[in-house]
Amino acid sequence: GEDVEQSLFLSVREGDSSVINCTYTDSSSTYLYWYKQEPGAGLQLLTYIFSNMDMKQDQRLTVLLNKKDKHLSLRIADTQTGDSAIYFCAEGTYKYIFGTGTRLKVLA
Amino acid sequence: DTEVTQTPKHLVMGMTNKKSLKCEQHMGHRAMYWYKQKAKKPPELMFVYSYEKLSINESVPSRFSPECPNSSLLNLHLHALQPEDSALYLCASSQVPTETQYFGPGTRLLVL
Repeated sequence: GEDVEQSLFLSVREGDSSVINCTYTDSSSTYLYWYKQEPGAGLQLLTYIFSNMDMKQDQRLTVLLNKKDKHLSLRIADTQTGDSAIYFCAEGTYKYIFGTGTRLKVLA
Repeated sequence: DTEVTQTPKHLVMGMTNKKSLKCEQHMGHRAMYWYKQKAKKPPELMFVYSYEKLSINESVPSRFSPECPNSSLLNLHLHALQPEDSALYLCASSQVPTETQYFGPGTRLLVL
């Protein structure tokens, strides 16, 4: 089957905005998710968006959903060094399919 | 509280050993999951338990044996593993199978 695609790497300066993109495959997913994984750790749920929404904002995080193009993005405002991690998008209901992951590096 | 706990944090075992991984949640969730994550890869689903019954087995080899003794506890019994089974094993839970999944910190397994 097709992979859920993400760009592999993103580097930003502290204080700038980060935008992480995801192209998903399953248009029947009720929710789409963003998880953060720090080195050696499990997955931390950051946010999720209901499939009938276009946008969701949660403090520094903004999620945009384009269902026509099956494109999901996560914008992190005022990126901090603590945001350095791998970010995974995920689709599915009980069976999650994760994206390939984007490693975000924040430069001080 | 959205905490899922996993023990042990690290595990080293030989190919002839038998060991178990443990996962616990006290959120009243009725669905629990095991995922396997190899280095630099996304997690891959192994098993889903729904209301303490195995509902999905993603064609996992029989050397991995899941068990759900009660609604709060999920075990993964390991026997005769291979070095390629070395990975981070993640447990997750959700209110019901279609709801948001919350992950534990994982058990890092090394098979020698």
